[in-house]
Amino acid sequence: EIVLTQSPGTLSLSPGERATLSCRASQSVSSSYLAWYQQKPGQAPRLLMYGASSRAIGIPDRFSGSGSGTDFTLTISRVEPEDFAVYYCQQYGSSPPITFGPGTRVDIK
Amino acid sequence: EVQLVESGGHLIQPGGSLRLSCAASGFIVRSTHMSWVRQAPGKGLEWVSVVYDTGRTYYADSVKGRFTISRDNSKNTLDLQMKSLRAEDTAVYYCARGLRYFDSWGLGTLVTVSS
Repeated sequence: EIVLTQSPGTLSLSPGERATLSCRASQSVSSSYLAWYQQKPGQAPRLLMYGASSRAIGIPDRFSGSGSGTDFTLTISRVEPEDFAVYYCQQYGSSPPITFGPGTRVDIK
Repeated sequence: EVQLVESGGHLIQPGGSLRLSCAASGFIVRSTHMSWVRQAPGKGLEWVSVVYDTGRTYYADSVKGRFTISRDNSKNTLDLQMKSLRAEDTAVYYCARGLRYFDSWGLGTLVTVSS
């Protein structure tokens, strides 16, 4: 089973600052199979990025993704008030096929 | 427009059974991969089960042998039959479309396992 670790656990930022979220896998993950989600309280998760670096429909370009192998990053270039949420990475692999990271909370400093 | 609406969640005693359903609109369930993902109160996301477009199914170890995922092609729904429920199965259950990534999610249905 591929285990995903996310850091930091919580990121406290002011609006306009840059956010860098890390997702590390216990073994190599194909970039095609790494995704990021945003979840706000009381809401379902929303797909942000797929294939490590492709933005989902409707996602603003201040969100970007990068990485390969075991290290992946989600960057928010300038955090907006609506970006304060929990962010999860997710991988699709072999057995089991799908795992999520524990999440990074981005909150207001 | 793609829409997913889950139903069937409620309070159930440990050891009981429950069937969740997810009604899909805007696409054909049998033509794509569909999953159930759950989230315990205050916790992160946990993948539960997937049914591929081919009909092949996979389960998380935590539910294997107790949960069964299926599709009702006549109703265009995704179902999850849950038995031998435990307190640790308490969660919001989401259905989600996709495999490599989930591009559409329902709002979820809450299952509470408690005596």
